[in-house]
Amino acid sequence: GAVVSQHPSWVICKSGTSVKIECRSLDFQATTMFWYRQFPKQSLMLMATSNEGSKATYEQGVEKDKFLINHASLTLSTLTVTSAHPEDSSFYICSATLRGRTDTQYFGPGTRLTVL
Amino acid sequence: GESVGLHLPTLSVQEGDNSIINCAYSNSASDYFIWYKQESGKGPQFIIDIRSNMDKRQGQRVTVLLNKTVKHLSLQIAATQPGDSAVYFCAENAGGTSYGKLTFGQGTILTVHP
Repeated sequence: GAVVSQHPSWVICKSGTSVKIECRSLDFQATTMFWYRQFPKQSLMLMATSNEGSKATYEQGVEKDKFLINHASLTLSTLTVTSAHPEDSSFYICSATLRGRTDTQYFGPGTRLTVL
Repeated sequence: GESVGLHLPTLSVQEGDNSIINCAYSNSASDYFIWYKQESGKGPQFIIDIRSNMDKRQGQRVTVLLNKTVKHLSLQIAATQPGDSAVYFCAENAGGTSYGKLTFGQGTILTVHP
């Protein structure tokens, strides 16, 4: 149980275009979803916290207008990288928590974004 | 604070040996700690967790030790296998208004030689 999926698993796009990444909780309702970014050989850095039906909370230094997060339902959160540039190339990982169990995060498999 | 470096610490062991991976955390208010395993191109996989009211917890082939005095966490893997080769991260969950948010350590690359 507690499976989180991401789509796509990898994407290549041209500079200046926007890319949407989906994060789904497959067998549970996720009250909170988190988005992380991971550069090669580095750790996971939290970008934002997303609660269903409310605006996302962004970490310091993360541009909310560039990384649009929508958490429209209890099983789906989306991250849209707008006007992507090569420096946005990274591994984006989402996680989700169960209702009432905010201490345990279930991670998705990640999405590799490459911006040319 | 959190440190993220370009050169992850590495640990190389022979198959069958025991491995010890260390992690220092910075937030004395953190009350929940988790170890994750991340294989190349995949998301983190939960290994074991421990709460701040404990100093040791054991799982299958893994043991986590917590020393709150020096803010140190370790992961011991018994009889390490080639399949254990991965990057291992510790993560801390601070309480209060930050409850639920995880701060990840820099990670350690574990390589197990057959």
